Amino acid sequence: EPEVTQTPSHQVTQMGQEVILRCVPISNHLYFYWYRQILGQKVEFLVSFYNNEISEKSEIFDDQFSVERPDGSNFTLKIRSTKLEDSAMYFCASSQQGTYTGELFFGEGSRLTVL
Amino acid sequence: ILNVEQSPQSLHVQEGDSTNFTCSFPSSNFYALHWYRWETAKSPEALFVMTLNGDEKKKGRISATLNTKEGYSYLYIKGSQPEDSATYLCAFKSGNTGKLIFGQGTTLQVKP
Repeated sequence: EPEVTQTPSHQVTQMGQEVILRCVPISNHLYFYWYRQILGQKVEFLVSFYNNEISEKSEIFDDQFSVERPDGSNFTLKIRSTKLEDSAMYFCASSQQGTYTGELFFGEGSRLTVL
Repeated sequence: ILNVEQSPQSLHVQEGDSTNFTCSFPSSNFYALHWYRWETAKSPEALFVMTLNGDEKKKGRISATLNTKEGYSYLYIKGSQPEDSATYLCAFKSGNTGKLIFGQGTTLQVKP
């Protein structure tokens, strides 16, 4: 069964460093998302991506964050200068349809620890 | 601020017990309600996407109902098995937006 894959599974970085989290969505999906869960808190939306551009982003997704789909298969989340509060589990998701009728397919997550 | 609440936060049942939990969401501007099952160290997996008031969906021993007018959905598990142990997340889609707003989840432990 097709699945969403994410790398790395765990990354430890120093505050101020750049981090790139990578995702390979399911190949025929059209919508791509990043969500995150800070330990003990709810899963929260970061950004959605459709037709090679950001379709929606949350207040969390400030200038330090960016997304790219460089080669039609990978979908990356970059954090330019990490802060302690960026420590979280980051989930990539994709869907064939929008969320009105389409379920999201999630990866297993990338745990980011900022020291 | 749109808020989604789930109750209870955690639940411990014996194998064979039936159980249910609740997701509460804003009743205005409702578009869809998603349920996901999330086992430890795995990815969240979709159970249901519900859009219509009065919707009832079923997958094996798991079923869900939806009341959009009063803003709640129930998830039922009939005859719980140890493999049902997981966190169950609901997520609300409002208006003309693709984002999902998640509840905090209900963690179910089924003891053999």
